[in-house]
Amino acid sequence: EAGVVQSPRYKIIEKKQPVAFWCNPISGHNTLYWYLQNLGQGPELLIRYENEEAVDDSQLPKDRFSAERLKGVDSTLKIQPAELGDSAVYLCASSPGLARSYNEQFFGPGTRLTVL
Amino acid sequence: GIQVEQSPPDLILQEGANSTLRCNFSDSVNNLQWFHQNPWGQLINLFYIPSGTKQNGRLSATTVATERYSLLYISSSQTTDSGVYFCAVLLTSGTYKYIFGTGTRLKVLA
Repeated sequence: EAGVVQSPRYKIIEKKQPVAFWCNPISGHNTLYWYLQNLGQGPELLIRYENEEAVDDSQLPKDRFSAERLKGVDSTLKIQPAELGDSAVYLCASSPGLARSYNEQFFGPGTRLTVL
Repeated sequence: GIQVEQSPPDLILQEGANSTLRCNFSDSVNNLQWFHQNPWGQLINLFYIPSGTKQNGRLSATTVATERYSLLYISSSQTTDSGVYFCAVLLTSGTYKYIFGTGTRLKVLA
């Protein structure tokens, strides 16, 4: 069974440019998460989807960040415009769904963003 | 908000040694997972353990939810065990959100 797929793996952009990250979750997983991980720290949740619905986006900086999960499968996270402080690793994870008794999260390899 | 603290923050072991990593959390949780983040940044699932004890090879974990802690045991450590170990807890109150701990950075020397 394929795991969580993310692309690109690395991205280098100049500040004020837009950037987008793509995630394909494990087949059948209803819940999709986007996390931000700064160097030396644990991942922090940006947004959580249950199917197509963003049910927790309280940590998403909405002035420059946006996300979508069309058809409840793939998801895209966008930053426009990027700032120097956005340099980090962006992780996508999926889990079967909070309505299920078993809800283990699985992570993709992440996208390492460098903003110059 | 909930506090998830891990100890020790850093650990250096000789190959073959045993270790215990601890995760303390300040509120009731539904689920708890242990992850190993390897030097390439990939988060690898170790245990999904809301309560009780589980074992997988040289690793085992115990969660005592009523006392709000979990332990990860690594026996006969190998250099490939190096990396950062995170626990992540799923809150029961408010939004269903996974909160990651502060991490334990492990280095196993040959």
